[in-house]
Amino acid sequence: QSVLTQPPSASGTPGQRVTISCSGSSSNVGSGYVYWYQHLPGTAPKLLIYRNNLRPSGVPDRFSGSKSGTSASLAISGLRSEDEGDYYCAAWEDSLSAHYVFGTGTKVTVV
Amino acid sequence: QVQLQESGPGLVKPSGTLSLTCAVSGGSIISNNWWSWVRQPPGKGLEWIGEIYHTRSANYNPSLKSRVTILVDKSKNQFSLILTSVTAADTAIYYCGTAETEVGLTVWGQGTTVTVSS
Repeated sequence: QSVLTQPPSASGTPGQRVTISCSGSSSNVGSGYVYWYQHLPGTAPKLLIYRNNLRPSGVPDRFSGSKSGTSASLAISGLRSEDEGDYYCAAWEDSLSAHYVFGTGTKVTVV
Repeated sequence: QVQLQESGPGLVKPSGTLSLTCAVSGGSIISNNWWSWVRQPPGKGLEWIGEIYHTRSANYNPSLKSRVTILVDKSKNQFSLILTSVTAADTAIYYCGTAETEVGLTVWGQGTTVTVSS
């Protein structure tokens, strides 16, 4: 049972903008950085966003992240068919012993 | 560029011990990275298991902490996951990964499927 809540699904047509939310609390999203991972079928997860809004080298600028308080968002602009897959937010949880937590995950469908 | 490769038994009996190894190539395990394990049960999301630094300092998911140990072997440039008293709920794809502080899991292995069944 993740402490980071995401919508189960999101969809859009090619070229559209899709936004995925990640809701946490003061002990995780509210107290540290948010990370976003892309998990395409049959592949290993891939880091998309770190420190709330930074992209690793090679990640297209179609992907952008933001954070406000205890919530964060991932936006995918110019949606492409190859973006179809699962997206997870993540953050460090400071309650009890510090540990990393993934969000519940959002399946993005390109219709 | 660091590459990671998981290995280990694909089938473990209930109440047994799951042991996986992650070989590190293209870089040294003695670096400023944390070496991590993540799993994904069938039809479910990602679950962080834990991580270790080359100094053997480790962090674990509290929900698994009583059953999990992550070890590092500097001589073989690899790290391993040991999960005891497994049940069917531990059936999953297990990924190893490496994380830089405040950057996240930047490199992942391809994943290995472990099934818990008699």
